[in-house]
Amino acid sequence: QVQLQESGPRLVKPSQTLSLTCTVSGVSISGGNYLWTWIRQPAGEGLEWIGRIYTDGSSNFNPSLKTRVTMSIDTSKNQFSLNLRSLTAADTAVYYCARVTDWGSGTFDIWGQGTLVTVSS
Amino acid sequence: EVVLTQSPDFQSVTPKEKVTITCRASQSIGNYLHWYQQKPDQSPNLVIKFASQSISGVPSRFSGSGSGTDFTLTISSLEAEDAATYYCHQSSTLPYTFGQGTKLEIK
Repeated sequence: QVQLQESGPRLVKPSQTLSLTCTVSGVSISGGNYLWTWIRQPAGEGLEWIGRIYTDGSSNFNPSLKTRVTMSIDTSKNQFSLNLRSLTAADTAVYYCARVTDWGSGTFDIWGQGTLVTVSS
Repeated sequence: EVVLTQSPDFQSVTPKEKVTITCRASQSIGNYLHWYQQKPDQSPNLVIKFASQSISGVPSRFSGSGSGTDFTLTISSLEAEDAATYYCHQSSTLPYTFGQGTKLEIK
């Protein structure tokens, strides 16, 4: 079955850059009508969409994070990645990767288990 | 951006009770509204898509309705395993947005 798995550092210092990777298994990342996305959730709070990436590498971001976010995709490794710059404590959250259906107009149908990232010196 | 407002924020309910959660959008989003269930320390799980479409593997007691700006998630007969926080999500317009969540507690 389709599975997504986030990987990356659990602790990052303020002002540094967070780099996370999502490894997709059970399906080709470049197949079907899917996009790939990142979502985060601070402890005890709601969900915030970060951005999405197409298989050709084009992307869209939440305006609230747009100036600090980049995303990339490596179809040969079946992975996509998130970089978030200039971190502050407010970026401490569980970060999820997920699949978006229907060429981006659908649901987040498959989610990774999430990875807790703490921003602290 | 489309703001999604859920009500209530919290509800304490007894097993077998019927539960209704609403999600109101700040502008019309057609049927591009989806519902997720999130249990503690777990990822969200899709329970209804496109306002009213069922999801394979999700119990039939979960149903959805609505279009435009007003949507409803209904659990026809609550079971203990349904204790969770429920989020609506719109995919009509970027940025994708979520409701603030509705936490269901079982009495």
